[in-house]
Amino acid sequence: EVQLLESGGGLVQPGGSLRLSCAASGFAFTSYVMTWVRQAPGKGLEWVSSITDSDGSTFYAHSVKGRFTISRDNSKSTLYLHMNSLRGDDTAVYYCATGRMSGSGLDYWGQGTLVTVSS
Amino acid sequence: QSVLTQPPSVSAAPGQKVTISCSGSSSNVGSNHVSWYQQLPGTAPKLLIYESNKRPSGIPDRFSGSRSGTSATLGITGLQTGDEADYYCGAWDNNLNSGVFGGGTKLTVL
Repeated sequence: EVQLLESGGGLVQPGGSLRLSCAASGFAFTSYVMTWVRQAPGKGLEWVSSITDSDGSTFYAHSVKGRFTISRDNSKSTLYLHMNSLRGDDTAVYYCATGRMSGSGLDYWGQGTLVTVSS
Repeated sequence: QSVLTQPPSVSAAPGQKVTISCSGSSSNVGSNHVSWYQQLPGTAPKLLIYESNKRPSGIPDRFSGSRSGTSATLGITGLQTGDEADYYCGAWDNNLNSGVFGGGTKLTVL
């Protein structure tokens, strides 16, 4: 059974940093593109970042580029999102998901972790 | 303002059919496959359609997808009260070099 378990969310002050983790199990992690998607309270889905399986190429939404870094540790089957210079509009539930936006789609999702940026 | 445009809401009676549109441009829907997601209240999204018209294992054939030009459509037949949810389309945008979602459509089964 595919499982994605996010952790690391919480309350952080504006300008602060946070690292989200997504522990994966039940599938060949090294063979999958991995993606972060976020959802602000009461709002729609926003694609944040993806990292490829093959060469670890990374892609970012304009809104987070230069502030967020996606990475993966294939030996631990874990996906990360390092978030710096956090702002109020980064407040959201952050989901990790397997797959890519086109082609296979985002086929498995975690339950999400809430990040709140507030003083 | 979302890159992909969806109607904010649609509604229909139980047993009826509904369609949800997703309008984009040549750099996203016009060039790349579309995926569709269902988000029930308080839960994570679930993949309904990938590669514009394919259903993952376990998704009933009441759900269908199509793509033509710069638009895509999700169809749901035999509506059930359990289908009440938010529905999102998504695709890759070649110009932005990023993923993009529609703003979401709230389905009400009257």
